[in-house]
Amino acid sequence: AQSVTQPDIHITVSEGASLELRCNYSYGATPYLFWYVQSPGQGLQLLLKYFSGDTLVQGIKGFEAEFKRSQSSFNLRKPSVHWSDAAEYFCAVGARAGNMLTFGGGTRLMVKP
Amino acid sequence: KAGVTQTPRYLIKTRGQQVTLSCSPISGHRSVSWYQQTPGQGLQFLFEYFSETQRNKGNFPGRFSGRQFSNSRSEMNVSTLELGDSALYLCASSPTLQGGTGELFFGEGSRLTVL
Repeated sequence: AQSVTQPDIHITVSEGASLELRCNYSYGATPYLFWYVQSPGQGLQLLLKYFSGDTLVQGIKGFEAEFKRSQSSFNLRKPSVHWSDAAEYFCAVGARAGNMLTFGGGTRLMVKP
Repeated sequence: KAGVTQTPRYLIKTRGQQVTLSCSPISGHRSVSWYQQTPGQGLQFLFEYFSETQRNKGNFPGRFSGRQFSNSRSEMNVSTLELGDSALYLCASSPTLQGGTGELFFGEGSRLTVL
């Protein structure tokens, strides 16, 4: 069965500092990997996705993520965090067919001024 | 282009009642998925519909059901409500690809409170 682990429930960073959110997955085949962001009272928005090819993928809002097969990880990074990045971030894994995703528990990001 | 629209946004029910939630996908999207979000269990997949057929189903009891209409709009129904059904129910639509890609466009959700 597929699973996703986000080890950090809460992270606080200062505005302008760099950010890395961790994600580890378990999946029997090559997965589709995603990062979604949820602002308070909102639905989820896709930040970026990895299907195949280049293991470093770029997303919206200046985010990037790196797929490391050997470590079963797909960590999200941003070089300089803005106050508007405060939100909850979800890593997800999906099969190569269908839209059924398994989400991690989420990491809540707080940004200090 | 309008986003995914879910109605109602908030509702309160009592145990034993049933509820129907509605979702209008982005125009042209034929896949609609439903997810339940709770503080304890996180985001869990309920089911996915594509061209009026249920394509995938999550591990939820039969009290949870859904359907999709010919215009791709979808409804989900929960019968005999339990306190544990209190949650944010999220609908997501996906571009028209037969196999699916996992690229989901979410609505803002319907927040159900069961008393």
